[in-house]
Amino acid sequence: DGGITQSPKYLFRKEGQNVTLSCEQNLNHDAMYWYRQDPGQGLRLIYYSQIVNDFQKGDIAEGYSVSREKKESFPLTVTSAQKNPTAFYLCASVDRGKNEQYFGPGTRLTVT
Amino acid sequence: QKEVEQNSGPLSVPEGAIASLNCTYSDRVSQSFFWYRQYSGKSPELIMSIYSNGDKEDGRFTAQLNKASQYVSLLIRDSQPSDSATYLCAVNRVAGNNRKLIWGLGTSLAVNP
Repeated sequence: DGGITQSPKYLFRKEGQNVTLSCEQNLNHDAMYWYRQDPGQGLRLIYYSQIVNDFQKGDIAEGYSVSREKKESFPLTVTSAQKNPTAFYLCASVDRGKNEQYFGPGTRLTVT
Repeated sequence: QKEVEQNSGPLSVPEGAIASLNCTYSDRVSQSFFWYRQYSGKSPELIMSIYSNGDKEDGRFTAQLNKASQYVSLLIRDSQPSDSATYLCAVNRVAGNNRKLIWGLGTSLAVNP
């Protein structure tokens, strides 16, 4: 059953802690993306990776870090430097033949 | 001017009517256009992609693209209450080897029984 998985669905952390969000895909897609979405706002790009061992900053990369050691996996770390980490985090992968992005179910992070 | 603009809504239509959702974009070289549906609390789901001028139909959905006017629309025929969601327009930007989507803020659609 092909798709994109994100875990966990809900995550709670205390301020000052780093937290890593998981994103895995078995669609054989080369490119993967991380977005955050805040209530009433659009999708904002955090980081993206077109190929293994390479990634680029998106529009709001400050306070976040990523790695892309395997094609299937693109974990996102929300560091303590991120000022407003509470948000809905979405991972997507791309069928480059069609440029279509497909999303995982998302992780809702709450930091208090 | 935002790169991708959509009316925020809410757009309210009666069940069975046609819902018309509009999107304009600023980058003339864009070649790929997408409509996503997002239910409250869920992730976006791809509904339609369109790459050429004209209409593309898939079931009750029709995407329309006019590159000269930099305009893409989504028509939903025979609207159902289950179509009530936020509809996101996205436009592909290619810069060298890097590709990313530029997103509109979405239009909220309410289909009333």
